[in-house]
Amino acid sequence: QQQVKQSPQSLIVQKGGISIINCAYENTAFDYFPWYQQFPGKGPALLIAIRPDVSEKKEGRFTISFNKSAKQFSLHIMDSQPGDSATYFCAASTGSNYQLIWGAGTKLIIKP
Amino acid sequence: DGGITQSPKYLFRKEGQNVTLSCEQNLNHDAMYWYRQDPGQGLRLIYYSQIVNDFQKGDIAEGYSVSREKKESFPLTVTSAQKNPTAFYLCASSIIWGNTEAFFGQGTRLTVV
Repeated sequence: QQQVKQSPQSLIVQKGGISIINCAYENTAFDYFPWYQQFPGKGPALLIAIRPDVSEKKEGRFTISFNKSAKQFSLHIMDSQPGDSATYFCAASTGSNYQLIWGAGTKLIIKP
Repeated sequence: DGGITQSPKYLFRKEGQNVTLSCEQNLNHDAMYWYRQDPGQGLRLIYYSQIVNDFQKGDIAEGYSVSREKKESFPLTVTSAQKNPTAFYLCASSIIWGNTEAFFGQGTRLTVV
């Protein structure tokens, strides 16, 4: 019940296209859902995060969509660029525990 | 520049040896964390510290030890009891335990030879 399942494992998108990464969870107590971006040889960095009181959050080309009833959330990258090529992790935590539970990651490659 | 510094970037260890990974932060953060990252898996929490002189086991603490004697430092020792220590180790910090954003160092890649 503590797992966060992330898909796909890898994704190739043409430059200018839309990249979509999905995550699903079981624990309804999760109330914080961040996405982290990691470049090779670097540590992850927070990209965007959402709480379940909203269904969508947009920051530039990055959008999180949240479906509370389906217990799913997704990251959309609009107008994908080669510089977006990285590994993306979703995660979740509860207000009582705070420990982040991480998805397995998606390796995104944007083809020029 | 404020941030988290992990050293060394690459580390090689012989089987049966203990090794210590360094993590220093100058962000004045109270909380610090150690994660292990393996290919195809998400980050797994080894230990965390909410405040200086205090630390707690995470999900995979066996074979690891930590100390938090100073606010800015949170070294991780990988002991010979850790059966499969080859991995990428990440240190992170946040303003307080429970704060939403974790800041990560650049990682240490440990290889057992």
